[in-house]
Amino acid sequence: GAVVSQHPSWVICKSGTSVKIECRSLDFQATTMFWYRQFPKQSLMLMATSNEGSKATYEQGVEKDKFLINHASLTLSTLTVTSAHPEDSSFYICSARDSSGRASYEQFFGPGTRLTVL
Amino acid sequence: DAKTTQPPSMDCAEGRAANLPCNHSTISGNEYVYWYRQIHSQGPQYIIHGLKNNETNEMASLIITEDRKSSTLILPHATLRDTAVYYCIVRVARNQGGKLIFGQGTELSVKP
Repeated sequence: GAVVSQHPSWVICKSGTSVKIECRSLDFQATTMFWYRQFPKQSLMLMATSNEGSKATYEQGVEKDKFLINHASLTLSTLTVTSAHPEDSSFYICSARDSSGRASYEQFFGPGTRLTVL
Repeated sequence: DAKTTQPPSMDCAEGRAANLPCNHSTISGNEYVYWYRQIHSQGPQYIIHGLKNNETNEMASLIITEDRKSSTLILPHATLRDTAVYYCIVRVARNQGGKLIFGQGTELSVKP
């Protein structure tokens, strides 16, 4: 099946610093990628939809200036958490939609990135 | 997208069938029912999806009622590795821009 990777798998940073998380589709092209956030014991919350070559679309309540998304190629989207604070500590998960439409379920998830802000 | 309702938790004995229900009474005619699962601290994994006919694959079966207001995911022979949170999601087709919006899901515990 199609593979989506994330890097890093976990990161610890100091409050006030910025952290970049990468999401890559390894064996398919993805014009659309999605970023989710998950707090402990809670469900996944969709943060934004990332479209290759255009601006991301953010869900209501998500600060676009704090969570910068760049989708510069068909296989890579990045999420940068700017000026991170302890309340940004969470599990960040990306998913990618296969542009070819070959897979009937078409959206594949990465393994997640655990962010801890001290 | 229509909202779904699932029981928060269920137990199942290893080797027995696990039947996970989902209510989606406000589903529209162009919305599909998707099932994903998430094993602790991993990304969600696709299981199955359907529109109105029952579906079966190597992982599970999906039974959708005739009025499409509810569905049941069946894991025919549950194993300990099936312990996970199972999410039932209703969304429009990909070519209509549908996003996967996760509800609270059902935490399935498979016990020896």
